[in-house]
Amino acid sequence: SQQGEEDPQALSIQEGENATMNCSYKTSINNLQWYRQNSGRGLVHLILIRSNEREKHSGRLRVTLDTSKKSSSLLITASRAADTASYFCATDANDYKLSFGAGTTVTVRA
Amino acid sequence: DVKVTQSSRYLVKRTGEKVFLECVQDMDHENMFWYRQDPGLGLRLIYFSYDVKMKEKGDIPEGYSVSREKKERFSLILESASTNQTSMYLCASSLLAANNEQFFGPGTRLTVL
Repeated sequence: SQQGEEDPQALSIQEGENATMNCSYKTSINNLQWYRQNSGRGLVHLILIRSNEREKHSGRLRVTLDTSKKSSSLLITASRAADTASYFCATDANDYKLSFGAGTTVTVRA
Repeated sequence: DVKVTQSSRYLVKRTGEKVFLECVQDMDHENMFWYRQDPGLGLRLIYFSYDVKMKEKGDIPEGYSVSREKKERFSLILESASTNQTSMYLCASSLLAANNEQFFGPGTRLTVL
């Protein structure tokens, strides 16, 4: 079943701007992951944040996690055309399955 | 780098045909997964396997079966393809005792006419 829900569904920004997307989930988690999918391709893992972490950085990516609100955000700073993709959050509970949201489609305009 | 490959990028089949989608990973991962992806619905888990010859149903197993005879290979079978099985199919793998990071193949876009 789909646990995570991303918001907004779609986002259009100018190159160089920041992009922020959010993920809300319903049940307790061990960790939350973000994936990127370029058009018509498979998903690529971006970053993982554990339930006892509040913020994590990886290059131009910044992820926050608020377990009290059951929500996470992904910030992409100084966006580039190559960041045009769909972004998915995925949560895991007590087994090795992941539950994915429907994704946020980001378009970076030149 | 982990590599997950899928047998076809695009596939067109007719209603009622038996369809095999193959997935191979080269990193000795215990877990393998089959998802389908439809617009607005995200990724939905069809089946997964945590060991050779072991399989478990995911959220939408109806109309599908799987086979895992070797650790590196996980096959998805559509016994009698129907038009509502037109979709993007994604295979993934992960280590059993890791943080559940999944590695995905490029996907197979299946059209059933």
